Amino acid sequence: AQSVTQPDIHITVSEGASLELRCNYSYGATPYLFWYVQSPGQGLQLLLKYFSGDTLVQGIKGFEAEFKRSQSSFNLRKPSVHWSDAAEYFCAVHLSGGYNKLIFGAGTRLAVHP
Amino acid sequence: EAGVAQSPRYKIIEKRQSVAFWCNPISGHATLYWYQQILGQGPKLLIQFQNNGVVDDSQLPKDRFSAERLKGVDSTLKIQPAKLEDSAVYLCASSLGTINEQFFGPGTRLTVL
Repeated sequence: AQSVTQPDIHITVSEGASLELRCNYSYGATPYLFWYVQSPGQGLQLLLKYFSGDTLVQGIKGFEAEFKRSQSSFNLRKPSVHWSDAAEYFCAVHLSGGYNKLIFGAGTRLAVHP
Repeated sequence: EAGVAQSPRYKIIEKRQSVAFWCNPISGHATLYWYQQILGQGPKLLIQFQNNGVVDDSQLPKDRFSAERLKGVDSTLKIQPAKLEDSAVYLCASSLGTINEQFFGPGTRLTVL
């Protein structure tokens, strides 16, 4: 069955430090992959997506993610974290077959220390 | 461009009561989704509409949940009767069509006492 695993429930980093959030997926076909961010009381905002082509994708707010087929991973990175990046981050895989259906991971909550 | 609108933002009810949520998608978006997000979990798709037709409701607890999208625009999600485990944030999203970015509303936080 298709699934998305985010191994880290909670991560704390210092402002200015680098960040990597892990995401592993289980899906038989070539996946479409997404990262969303959710700030408190807000809906989900798309950070970036991977459909095909270059395996390193750039997103908004200085985020990037790398698709590694051999590891079934799509990790999110940012070289220098800002306090405003504190939020919950969700990785998702899109299921094909005619429907635009997303399967989300459980999320990683990011806290940023000043 | 206006985003996805949802109301109410918060709702507190007692178990066995009924509740309804409303969603107004982005203008021109044919596809509308309702997700349930339980605390500590990622969103889970409840139902997906293409225009005013249902294309996926496999995860919708149909004994108590119902949804409609009259005229292919606004949508309502109803729970009757509510259970304690229905406490969650209910997110509405819309997209132009398949394999398009989904835009999410702010959600409705439901607390069932």
